[in-house]
Amino acid sequence: EVQLVQSGAEVKKPGESLKISCKASGYKFTDHWIGWVRQMPGEGLEWMGIIYPSISETKYTPSFQGRVTISADKSINTAYLQWNSLKASDTAVYYCARGDDSGYYAYQYGIEVWGQGTTVTVSS
Amino acid sequence: QSVLTQPPSASGTPGQRVIISCSGSSSNIGNNYVYWYQHLPGTAPKFLISKSNQRPSGVPDRFSGSKSGTSASLAISGLRSEDEADYYCAAWDDSLSAFSFGGGTKLTVL
Repeated sequence: EVQLVQSGAEVKKPGESLKISCKASGYKFTDHWIGWVRQMPGEGLEWMGIIYPSISETKYTPSFQGRVTISADKSINTAYLQWNSLKASDTAVYYCARGDDSGYYAYQYGIEVWGQGTTVTVSS
Repeated sequence: QSVLTQPPSASGTPGQRVIISCSGSSSNIGNNYVYWYQHLPGTAPKFLISKSNQRPSGVPDRFSGSKSGTSASLAISGLRSEDEADYYCAAWDDSLSAFSFGGGTKLTVL
């Protein structure tokens, strides 16, 4: 069974750094794009970006480029989402998500598998 | 502001057929597959429709997707109370070089 298990809820102060994780199992980690989706309180889903773990190539939605870093450690089948300096507006639920098809050119295909979500609260 | 436009709300009575639309452009829906997701608050979104009109394993055949030109739609027949949720369309956008979700449609079962 394909599973994405995310790290637990975080409470941080503005300006702090944070790295949340997503542990994948049940498939070959290096064969699928994996990424992150944000849902701010009361808002819709926003696709942030993805990474192809085999070669660590990333693609970001323009609005998230430079604000977050997506990375992956293929030795432990884990993807990460990282902030260097959090803002209150980063308060949201973040979902880890795996692409539908396998292979490098599958980046344009949709999300098939979702993690359970990680709640990040940024407040002074 | 999403490049994919959905109506903010839709409603129907049990047993009815409801259609949720998703409008885009040639850089997204017009040239790429459309995906649909069902989302209940506090849970992970559920994969409903793949590649514009394919149902993943386990999705009831009450749910169907279609695409024509730069628009797509999700049809739910035999509406049930448990279908009350938020529904999102999504597609790759060639101009953004990124995936994009629609704004979401809140479905109410009256």
